[in-house]
Order: sequence, then structure tokens, then C-alpha cells
Amino acid sequence: GENVEQHPSTLSVQEGDSAVIKCTYSDSASNYFPWYKQELGKRPQLIIDIRSNVGEKKDQRIAVTLNKTAKHFSLHITETQPEDSAVYFCAAKGGGADGLTFGKGTHLIIQP
Amino acid sequence: KAGVTQTPRYLIKTRGQQVTLSCSPISGHRSVSWYQQTPGQGLQFLFEYFSETQRNKGNFPGRFSGRQFSNSRSEMNVSTLELGDSALYLCASSLSGSHIYEQYFGPGTRLTVT
Repeated sequence: GENVEQHPSTLSVQEGDSAVIKCTYSDSASNYFPWYKQELGKRPQLIIDIRSNVGEKKDQRIAVTLNKTAKHFSLHITETQPEDSAVYFCAAKGGGADGLTFGKGTHLIIQP
Repeated sequence: KAGVTQTPRYLIKTRGQQVTLSCSPISGHRSVSWYQQTPGQGLQFLFEYFSETQRNKGNFPGRFSGRQFSNSRSEMNVSTLELGDSALYLCASSLSGSHIYEQYFGPGTRLTVT
């Protein structure tokens, strides 16, 4: 089945700086890559996703890039704000009969 | 549109008991997936239901089962509870039966097994 590795596990950045979270996946047939944000005690919230026929997607301060050859994808957050503090999960939808496979999460801390 | 809802929000059960959790998807969504979230293992896929049929299944023992009703509401059941079943159980709904779909999560049911 699919395996997703996510780095780093904790990321601390100054407010206003950029943050980058990276994920790799194992199944070359994977075709859908969403990112979720989970604040403490709340449900995971879909913030952006990308499909295998697209290399980059942007939504205001958030962007995701996908490199199918290297089997990795990244989340980029620019001009970080205090409300960006949360745990971020990447996920991949493999080619088999599985649901989403999630990375272990990145705890993003925005320092004032 | 109302979001995904789950009941109950909190449950405390004893080892050996069984439990049933409920999930109501977003109106119009026909697919419901269930996930287990723990600090150690993270988010793990349990199973997916679409049009009342289990379409996909994760790597969990047979004690974990589910079903979906004609109105797309779904239930999951865990029998013979073990301490390790303590977790946040999340369901997520999606619109289509395609292999590429956006999933929206409910608030989860926090299960504690003592």
C-alpha cells in the first residue's frame, strides 16, 4: 500500500516569514494529494489539494507543488500569521482500493 | 449547507464492550470514510462506504465494521473493545464515487476505553 513520509515534525517560524512542509509518497499510481490543517481540539480542515496532472496550485498565501518523478509534494505558506499555528497533515490517494494515507503531521508554530 | 456531523462526541466504555458511532454526511455526499486518529499512529484509514457498499478497507481487525444507509448516513461498530481502541474516530464525506475526491471531516467521536 501507499506510504507517506512528512517532514519536519515541528516547524517554528517568525510571523511574516514563510513555512515549507515536505512529503514523499511511495505509490507511483497515487493521483490525489490533499493538505489538511487541524487546530487543537478541532476537525481536520481541507486547505488545498493537487491532482497528479498539475505541478503547482496556489490559493492566496498557500501553495502546493508536486513532483511526480521524485514522488514528493510540498506545502508553502507565505507571510505567516498567528492563526496559521496548527498541525498540518499531507495525504495521498493511492492507486489501490485504499482511502487517504496520511503523513504523521507537522506542528507549525508561528512566533510573534 | 450543514457540515459533517458525528454522534456522540464523547464516549467512555469498558474493555470487552461494543460501541456504535454515527456519521451524517454533507447533504448530497454519497461517500463516507472512517479514520482513527491517535497520537502514536496518526490518522489511519478504516473503511469507505459508497451507495451502501463497502468500497475500500484499511488494515484493521474484523472487530471494526461499518455500514451505510440509503440516506448515506453511516455507522461504525467496534466489538470487544480493547484499551488500544481509545482514539478519536473521524468520518469524512465526499461527493462522488470517483477515485479523486475532496473529503470533508466531521468533528469526531472521542472514545475512551477503560
